[in-house]
Order: sequence, then structure tokens, then C-alpha cells
Amino acid sequence: DTAVSQTPKYLVTQMGNDKSIKCEQNLGHDTMYWYKQDSKKFLKIMFSYNNKELIINETVPNRFSPKSPDKAHLNLHINSLELGDSAVYFCASSQGNSGGYTFGSGTRLTVV
Amino acid sequence: SQQGEEDPQALSIQEGENATMNCSYKTSINNLQWYRQNSGRGLVHLILIRSNEREKHSGRLRVTLDTSKKSSSLLITASRAADTASYFCATGGLNAGNMLTFGGGTRLMVKP
Repeated sequence: DTAVSQTPKYLVTQMGNDKSIKCEQNLGHDTMYWYKQDSKKFLKIMFSYNNKELIINETVPNRFSPKSPDKAHLNLHINSLELGDSAVYFCASSQGNSGGYTFGSGTRLTVV
Repeated sequence: SQQGEEDPQALSIQEGENATMNCSYKTSINNLQWYRQNSGRGLVHLILIRSNEREKHSGRLRVTLDTSKKSSSLLITASRAADTASYFCATGGLNAGNMLTFGGGTRLMVKP
């Protein structure tokens, strides 16, 4: 009965590969997010998505793309992986425009 | 650059003592939230304070917000070893999408 679940938990891949990280929430929340946490623990918003609107942080390279098959899922697809993409990626969800987030446990991506 | 900046970056105290962490931000906000992150885990929402509120309590947590100084503080009273974690403030702006901007975090260590 995990609220926000991400898979895989760990992902090691070579430069240039394409990979996806999956996220599912069973809270009935209307908005989902992807955040990147770097080695210094800074968290940076990548995307915000609900049924009506995708908001993209303009600093995110277009190699990153969110894909939402339904309101309970927001997957992250990454093309042509680079060394600098190594980080922990967190999925989160919230209800409404000003609620607290529920985070997944993170996916540690290592690009070699 | 980060919207929120926590101070101090690291804090070490003895069990039973109080821990105070501060957060400063730069732009107008809708709300400010505090999260805890244990090592290797996702973030857990602790408390949300809206821009028209000045103080909020939840158990051993007390949060204050001073919008004139663009600052907030998180006080943990009677700390326990289990409180050892990183604590992040996050600001919800007036923009659409409820995207939170996180500070760099305070690493709290509570020694038994």
C-alpha cells in the first residue's frame, strides 16, 4: 500500500543509452512531479503535471521527457544519457494547488 | 540559484536539546513547507505554513514565518536520536502548478 512508488530503485547504465523510470501514486492526487537531487543534496524541480497542464523547468534538457498514461502515473524518459545525469530522481504527488507533497523513495541513477 | 537557503548547513546536538533551523527565501510565496529526509530515503512532509500565518505547531515541531523578512524557522523540541536527518524548507510560489522550490537543507545530528 505504498503511496508513491518508483521503479527501479537503482539504475546503472552506460552513456548514450535511453532509460525510463516509472512512478505510480495511489493517493488520488491530481498533480505529479519529478525532482532531481544532486550529490550535494540540492533538489531541483524538473516537471509538474496534472490532467490539464505540463509545466517544464526551462533548464531541463529536452533529453528528459515526462510521459503520463493516466493521472496515477508519471514516468520519466531520458534519451542519450550523460555522465552529468547521475543523481537521485524523486517522484512526488500532491492534491490541489497548495498542498504538501508525498514523495517516492527515489531512483539512484548512475551513468558510467 | 536556490530560492530557499537553510542555516546552519549542519547542526549537532545532544538528545533532549532543542534544534532550531532557519530558512530564508527571495520571492513572494503562497506557502512554506518543511520536509525531513533520512539518509537514502525520500522526503517526508512535516508541516505547511501559509503566507498569512505566523506560527504553526505539530507535536514537537514549531514553525514560524516572517514574510517581511522572508524567513522561517523550524524548532524541534526535546530532540531524539531518531530526529537525525536532513531538513529542507520549500517555498510554494504564486505561479501555477504548485511547484516547490527547495533549499539546500540542514543536516541535523542528534547524539544519544
